[in-house]
Amino acid sequence: KQEVTQIPAALSVPEGENLVLNCSFTDSAIYNLQWFRQDPGKGLTSLLLIQSSQREQTSGRLNASLDKSSGRSTLYIAASQPGDSATYLCAVYAGGTSYGKLTFGQGTILTVHP
Amino acid sequence: EAGVAQSPRYKIIEKRQSVAFWCNPISGHATLYWYQQILGQGPKLLIQFQNNGVVDDSQLPKDRFSAERLKGVDSTLKIQPAKLEDSAVYLCASSLGYFSYEQYFGPGTRLTVT
Repeated sequence: KQEVTQIPAALSVPEGENLVLNCSFTDSAIYNLQWFRQDPGKGLTSLLLIQSSQREQTSGRLNASLDKSSGRSTLYIAASQPGDSATYLCAVYAGGTSYGKLTFGQGTILTVHP
Repeated sequence: EAGVAQSPRYKIIEKRQSVAFWCNPISGHATLYWYQQILGQGPKLLIQFQNNGVVDDSQLPKDRFSAERLKGVDSTLKIQPAKLEDSAVYLCASSLGYFSYEQYFGPGTRLTVT
């Protein structure tokens, strides 16, 4: 059974800091990995999707890396802003017979203060 | 392109009452998912439809939860009778299915059972 763990559970940083969110998964036979953002009371917004054949993806100030062999992914946020405050969720897509099934971590609650 | 629509956005009921949630996926998306997200946790898959057939309902509490997808488009999720532990956000997602699995999420329905 796939298990996804995110560290830290919560993070509070001053504006302007660069930060790293960590995600680990127990079964390396994943198809792809996706990072989401969730604002309070809202649904999920996709940030980055990394295909299994890729090592990283970038969008603006966000960079996500994937190391399937070690079961790890990191989300790097450069020059953090108060508007980045949200919960960040990591999710892995299963391969094989469970093709497309998405398993989520519990999330990292990020607070960026001015 | 319109996103995934869900209603209602919020619902408060007493325990032992029944409740229903509605989801309209992105047009043309064959696969539809219902997730339950308890406060402080990542979303957990309840049921997955491919067109109007059930692909995976292994984590659906079938004694009280039911779901259907009419004509392979809209879907409803029902809880009867509700328990206090059903308080959560219920998220609907859809994907093209088959060889394109990336899931797109709706805004969710926040259920409070008192």
